[in-house]
Amino acid sequence: KAGVTQTPRYLIKTRGQQVTLSCSPISGHRSVSWYQQTPGQGLQFLFEYFSETQRNKGNFPGRFSGRQFSNSRSEMNVSTLELGDSALYLCASQRQSSYNSPLHFGNGTRLTVT
Amino acid sequence: KQEVTQIPAALSVPEGENLVLNCSFTDSAIYNLQWFRQDPGKGLTSLLLIQSSQREQTSGRLNASLDKSSGRSTLYIAASQPGDSATYLCAVRPIGGAGSYQLTFGKGTKLSVIP
Repeated sequence: KAGVTQTPRYLIKTRGQQVTLSCSPISGHRSVSWYQQTPGQGLQFLFEYFSETQRNKGNFPGRFSGRQFSNSRSEMNVSTLELGDSALYLCASQRQSSYNSPLHFGNGTRLTVT
Repeated sequence: KQEVTQIPAALSVPEGENLVLNCSFTDSAIYNLQWFRQDPGKGLTSLLLIQSSQREQTSGRLNASLDKSSGRSTLYIAASQPGDSATYLCAVRPIGGAGSYQLTFGKGTKLSVIP
């Protein structure tokens, strides 16, 4: 069974540009979450989707947005990139909407903003 | 606000040693606690999930315990191997509305097992 797939693995962008990251969850998983990981802040929650609905959003500016499609695949978008947006962006999926199943993560997209 | 702490931040042990990693959290209102492993430049690999009603979970050489009332969890690794070298993170899923849809993570313990 394929795991969570994130594309691309690496991205280099310039300040002011925008970027779109993609995540394909494990087959049958309908919940998708996004996290930002930096050396200073650790892992911070961005947003969570279930059945195309955003159920929660973390404390990030409006430049960070996301969506989920009917096949459960998800994308996140960051507009007007800043140097501080450089991070590892991790996507995770969960089998069901309840709280009792484990979260499974992809290998992430490493974003570098210059 | 839930806070998760992992001490120490780094640990170095000789191969074959049994070791314990610690995780503490400030709010005991949690659904469950999950331990992960992260290799350099990679994503997180789920190791063990303990529900709030459970005391421990075991998988191979790994055993995780949970004491919800005291806000503590430990991950026990038996007979450590160089391949166990990685960063270990714990995360809790809080009880409470939309906040239950996210995990709160500690910053991890970086483990080095020396051959």
